[in-house]
Amino acid sequence: NAGVMQNPRHLVRRRGQEARLRCSPMKGHSHVYWYRQLPEEGLKFMVYLQKENIIDESGMPKERFSAEFPKEGPSILRIQQVVRGDSAAYFCASSPLGREFNTEAFFGQGTRLTVV
Amino acid sequence: DAKTTQPPSMDCAEGRAANLPCNHSTISGNEYVYWYRQIHSQGPQYIIHGLKNNETNEMASLIITEDRKSSTLILPHATLRDTAVYYCIVRWGGQFYFGTGTSLTVIP
Repeated sequence: NAGVMQNPRHLVRRRGQEARLRCSPMKGHSHVYWYRQLPEEGLKFMVYLQKENIIDESGMPKERFSAEFPKEGPSILRIQQVVRGDSAAYFCASSPLGREFNTEAFFGQGTRLTVV
Repeated sequence: DAKTTQPPSMDCAEGRAANLPCNHSTISGNEYVYWYRQIHSQGPQYIIHGLKNNETNEMASLIITEDRKSSTLILPHATLRDTAVYYCIVRWGGQFYFGTGTSLTVIP
């Protein structure tokens, strides 16, 4: 049973380009969380999605960032017109049940985005 | 979600038990206590969680005080591979809010 898979592991983008980060949850998991970790800081919640629905995006920046979790395929975190401040590690986590059931979530190894 | 307070760093001798404390004095009745760790900026690894009873699994034990205002994560026989940042999180139905955690260094 493979864990949460994120790709790419490392991504370099020039300022102004778009970054697409992919997350395939564990088998049987239909709930996905995205977190961002700036250098030397803790993880910050960005967005929580269930298949085809955004449940909570209270941690997402208001501009340039979007997320989706389609019926088929991985969850995508999209950053448009990247800036140097977007350089960070982006982690995805998945769980089998909704957050109201207090199950644990399992994290992927992250995508390290570097904006040059 | 309730906030947690953890010491910023701790050392532990290899082979000894590592006891990591966490204060969560504002925890509410429905909030669970979770522990995760992060090794070398890898993805956080789930360790254990509980509500009010003590819990044990193959990785660790979680001791929650009767008033639930604090808890202790116990790694019974620490190894060098347990060197990591350990996060104590209280959560009910919400996201996992990661604080700054405790940086545990296991010393040979």
